[in-house]
Amino acid sequence: SAVISQKPSRDICQRGTSLTIQCQVDSQVTMMFWYRQQPGQSLTLIATANQGSEATYESGFVIDKFPISRPNLTFSTLTVSNMSPEDSSIYLCSVEDGGTDTQYFGPGTRLTVL
Amino acid sequence: QQQVKQSPQSLIVQKGGISIINCAYENTAFDYFPWYQQFPGKGPALLIAIRPDVSEKKEGRFTISFNKSAKQFSLHIMDSQPGDSATYFCAARRSNTGKLIFGQGTTLQVKP
Repeated sequence: SAVISQKPSRDICQRGTSLTIQCQVDSQVTMMFWYRQQPGQSLTLIATANQGSEATYESGFVIDKFPISRPNLTFSTLTVSNMSPEDSSIYLCSVEDGGTDTQYFGPGTRLTVL
Repeated sequence: QQQVKQSPQSLIVQKGGISIINCAYENTAFDYFPWYQQFPGKGPALLIAIRPDVSEKKEGRFTISFNKSAKQFSLHIMDSQPGDSATYFCAARRSNTGKLIFGQGTTLQVKP
């Protein structure tokens, strides 16, 4: 299974600022995903980030608010822009093992916006 | 529009008992059905998964039962232990995009 790390693990930010979350995988993967998990809630897909193409966003999420980079097959970043308290959530990246269709998740980044 | 419905929302089971969590899906364009276990402060970890051409899969104390005609699948945890106390999510994978659609989650508490 893929080993995924995320930085930072947690952060407390001020309203109106931006935070970039990094996701690093220990193997090359084609499909990478970013999720949001609000407190006590399920996981909601933000976008799919495949290397070599623009990220595709789910309904309710826009590139200006959540720009994503995918410079290579082992790394991606998600930026949460112009933050408000409503953005306080856990942000998770995941990767798919193309051979088994299994998605593996990183440990998450716990974001609190004051 | 919730395409994967999970129940119950919470579950309390005595140690040694059987925990059962149910999920139902609305779309037939799913090709893979994983269950994830999540502990507080951690990311979801794959527990067990099944494909729609199989009716049951067992791994240790964990069993998935799958009913394709009813569009339902369930997780059974046999001999439940306090260490199983966590939140469990079912999911369904869209065959054309690889996206996972998650259920609402079930918080399981196993009492010693």
